[in-house]
Amino acid sequence: EDKVVQSPLSLVVHEGDTVTLNCSYEVTNFRSLLWYKQEKKAPTFLFMLTSSGIEKKSGRLSSILDKKELFSILNITATQTGDSAVYLCAALTDKLIFGTGTRLQVFP
Amino acid sequence: DTEVTQTPKHLVMGMTNKKSLKCEQHMGHRAMYWYKQKAKKPPELMFVYSYEKLSINESVPSRFSPECPNSSLLNLHLHALQPEDSALYLCASSQDPTADRYEQYFGPGTRLTVT
Repeated sequence: EDKVVQSPLSLVVHEGDTVTLNCSYEVTNFRSLLWYKQEKKAPTFLFMLTSSGIEKKSGRLSSILDKKELFSILNITATQTGDSAVYLCAALTDKLIFGTGTRLQVFP
Repeated sequence: DTEVTQTPKHLVMGMTNKKSLKCEQHMGHRAMYWYKQKAKKPPELMFVYSYEKLSINESVPSRFSPECPNSSLLNLHLHALQPEDSALYLCASSQDPTADRYEQYFGPGTRLTVT
């Protein structure tokens, strides 16, 4: 059975801290790994990773994929209260298979 | 522009009602999706339309009936729902699902309450 596992389930940090969110996957017909941020409503797209070892970066967020070890990490540096959200990773096969998410709370 | 729109934003319906959820995108995407999301859970895939044809039905009960009238529109027709069907219903779209760029963009969702 296809599965995507995220850790930790929740994380509480102070502004300015750096956090690392983990995502491991075991799926058939893997195509890519996607990260989303979900606040109150719709998930918003962050990154799509297809190749191993190539870091994708957007501002304070970065992510990398390891296709040999079947995992990805999402790093957020210098966290801000606006980073508080649930971060979802999803493996794309013929459909998106979501992990349960990591709930990040950033306090001032 | 990566906007997917959904209407209505909120819907309250009784178990004997018939209602429809609507989703629209003008990005030229050829794949559209319906997801159901319960509180504190990730989205669960319900249906996938690829080039206006239903390609995946995740064993969804027949009280949910999807329709794709054209490449920009996706509907979800609801009939005889149960209280446990109350959830956030998300629509998403992606470019040609056979091409390289296939990240899915989500709409804001319809918060459905079945009484």
